[in-house]
Amino acid sequence: EDQVTQSPEALRLQEGESSSLNCSYTVSGLRGLFWYRQDPGKGPEFLFTLYSAGEEKEKERLKATLTKKESFLHITAPKPEDSATYLCAVQYREGTDKLIFGTGTRLQVFP
Amino acid sequence: NAGVMQNPRHLVRRRGQEARLRCSPMKGHSHVYWYRQLPEEGLKFMVYLQKENIIDESGMPKERFSAEFPKEGPSILRIQQVVRGDSAAYFCASSRPVRGETQYFGPGTRLLVL
Repeated sequence: EDQVTQSPEALRLQEGESSSLNCSYTVSGLRGLFWYRQDPGKGPEFLFTLYSAGEEKEKERLKATLTKKESFLHITAPKPEDSATYLCAVQYREGTDKLIFGTGTRLQVFP
Repeated sequence: NAGVMQNPRHLVRRRGQEARLRCSPMKGHSHVYWYRQLPEEGLKFMVYLQKENIIDESGMPKERFSAEFPKEGPSILRIQQVVRGDSAAYFCASSRPVRGETQYFGPGTRLLVL
């Protein structure tokens, strides 16, 4: 069965302590991989879309990369306002455009 | 440009009642998706609609759940005879009518069944 697995489930960082979140997938025929951020009680907020292995995208302290089997979300010098749950989702090349989500990484950044 | 709008934001129903959740997509978006997030679980796809058409309902429970996206007005997710297990956050997303386009999410409707 096609799956999306995110690790770690939870991550506690000191402000300024860089780290990476992982999203591995077994979807055959990837159309796109999406990263979202979700704050408590809110809807997912779009961050990045990656379409092909080797692709990288950056936004402020975040950088997303993609290989044939996984994606990383690198957080450089995080701040407390980066605390949130980060969700990864994949979309098949064939079929409809539904997203298959991982269970997320809950990030806490302490000052 | 307003984002995806959902209402109500919170909905309380007693077992056996009906729940109607509404979603207005972003301007220029004609594709709507519904997802459900159970407590402590990830987002699960339910249904994908275009105007007046259900494209994929593979994630929708076979009974009690239905969805529509009429030519005019918002998309509606309807849950009949709600049970406690239906308590969850229901999110709507919308996208432009292009394959692989980014889906933008609304704030969600939190349904509580007593």
